[in-house]
Formats: sequence, structure tokens, C-alpha cells
Amino acid sequence: TQLLEQSPQFLSIQEGENLTVYCNSSSVFSSLQWYRQEPGEGPVLLVTVVTGGEVKKLKRLTFQFGDARKDSSLHITAAQPGDTGLYLCAGAPDNQGGKLIFGQGTELSVKP
Amino acid sequence: NAGVTQTPKFQVLKTGQSMTLQCAQDMNHEYMSWYRQDPGMGLRLIHYSVGAGITDQGEVPNGYNVSRSTTEDFPLRLLSAAPSQTSVYFCASRGTYNYGYTFGSGTRLTVV
Repeated sequence: TQLLEQSPQFLSIQEGENLTVYCNSSSVFSSLQWYRQEPGEGPVLLVTVVTGGEVKKLKRLTFQFGDARKDSSLHITAAQPGDTGLYLCAGAPDNQGGKLIFGQGTELSVKP
Repeated sequence: NAGVTQTPKFQVLKTGQSMTLQCAQDMNHEYMSWYRQDPGMGLRLIHYSVGAGITDQGEVPNGYNVSRSTTEDFPLRLLSAAPSQTSVYFCASRGTYNYGYTFGSGTRLTVV
């Protein structure tokens, strides 16, 4: 059984601070995805990383895939109140096409 | 493009009743999945499909049935509802060459 451990589960910070969310597993994934979810809505894809060591940037968000393809991180620089929401990592296990499993999620609150 | 459409949006069932949650996508996506979301547990995979006629179990399949007779539709059946199935259910789909999933807006189910 593949597990994705996401931490921290809750994060409350002030506007302008930096933060990092971690997603770890003992399993290898063919891809790792990050989603953001607003209350009452479905998750929305932010980014997909597929190559070990890959780094992708989306404005103030930086995503990294571990060299061994077992872990990932999301770093937000100078957080803003508009970044508030639930962030979810999700992994596609190697050789199990169509299967995508999620971490527990990180509830981020950015206070002005 | 409507994307992924889930119906109904809200449903209250009595213990032991059966019902079908509908999911339809108009993007010609091969891959479709059903998830349930409970507080503090992220999204847990119930069943998934890699194409019409092909389904497989996810992390929490007990109490749920699926079928995939067409590419567009992937209904989720609860044969005998239990209070433990109270949750928010999400359907998602992706194309063959895209890793990221598109999610529906969810069905909030309460079993009393």
C-alpha cells in the first residue's frame, strides 16, 4: 500500500512570510502533483513534476521532486492572504497507470 | 466545455438505502476516478477506470460498486448506505497524455 505523508497538516502565518510544505513516501512515483482546493469546490491542479530532481516555479510557488521520486515539496515565497486554502499533494505510483493517491492535505491560513 | 459534472450536489440517505452518484465528462478522457474526502484525511481513492469496460479498486472500495460502459460516464453505486459513508465524493478524469486530473464540484452525502 502506497502512502503519502504530508506535513504540516495546519499552517497559520502572517502575510509576507515564507513557508514550505512537504510530501514524503517510501514508494516511488512516476509523477507527483500538487492541487489547491477552495471550500465547496473540487481540487484544482497547480503543477505536475515527473523527473527526479525537477524544479518548477509558478510565480511565488516553487515545486520540487526528490531525486529518488519518493518525495516533493512546495515552497511559497512572501505569502499573501490570497494563498489561503487547502494544498494537496498526489502521487501516481510506478507501474499502476490510472491510480492517483493523495496526502492528507495542508490547511494554509495567511493573515494580513 | 462542461468538464466533469457530478449529480446530485447534495443527498441525504437513510441507513440501508441505495443510490447512484452520477459522473459525466465531455473531454473524451480515458481515465476516471472516484474519491471520498473526510476531514483530516485528504482524498481517498475508491475506484478508478483506465477506459471503458475496465475498472479497478482503490484504497477504500468496500461498500461501493462502479461500472464504465462508456467513456463519458462513471457512476458510483452505494448498495446499502451506512453512516460511515457520510462524506464528500469527488469524481475526476484525465486524458491519456496528461498527468493532471480535472475534478467535479463534488456530492455531499449524509447517511442518517
